[in-house]
Amino acid sequence: DAKTTQPTSMDCAEGRAANLPCNHSTISGNEYVYWYRQIHSQGPQYIIHGLKNNETNEMASLIITEDRKSSTLILPHATLRDTAVYYCIVLMDSSYKLIFGSGTRLLVRP
Amino acid sequence: DTGVSQDPRHKITKRGQNVTFRCDPISEHNRLYWYRQTLGQGPEFLTYFQNEAQLEKSRLLSDRFSAERPKGSFSTLEIQRTEQGDSAMYLCASSRTSPGAFFGPGTRLTVL
Repeated sequence: DAKTTQPTSMDCAEGRAANLPCNHSTISGNEYVYWYRQIHSQGPQYIIHGLKNNETNEMASLIITEDRKSSTLILPHATLRDTAVYYCIVLMDSSYKLIFGSGTRLLVRP
Repeated sequence: DTGVSQDPRHKITKRGQNVTFRCDPISEHNRLYWYRQTLGQGPEFLTYFQNEAQLEKSRLLSDRFSAERPKGSFSTLEIQRTEQGDSAMYLCASSRTSPGAFFGPGTRLTVL
């Protein structure tokens, strides 16, 4: 599975959009991009995933570049409860093992 | 609640004791995973079950660790002769066919 690179930490103001980048330059054609987050002392929570097209659900939007070498997770209106570590993971649909990196620690400021 | 549940949520034990954790996956999820997470690190894969078959064990899972899923439903993770280095959060997750797993709240183990 391809490796990912994420900034160590980011912050944004409450109510503003949080844009979390992820680089996955070695991604192959059949690998998906998954995003999870982990709020302090809780288990990781699935957010969204995508292959080529941009995806949106009730939690977030996922924008994948045309060359698929990077993606951005967008939380459109961040709240204090969105403060968490966000993990970007790349893996094939036939895979079952999530390989977590260090993630991005997002702090939402009041 | 129909999510993944884990029991106990916290466990404090003395070095050398055995401990057992239980995970109840989401109903009808045939895939079950155990991960371990130490402070400041992302979760690390330990083992994977498809139904009752244990299909992969990480090198992190020493001989003191054993996991079972006898009827393809709940799973147990046992650690024998615990060591201080075993102190961590033990996470269970389940899924159907895709790798998008759903995680439980974890069991925090402290070995004194």
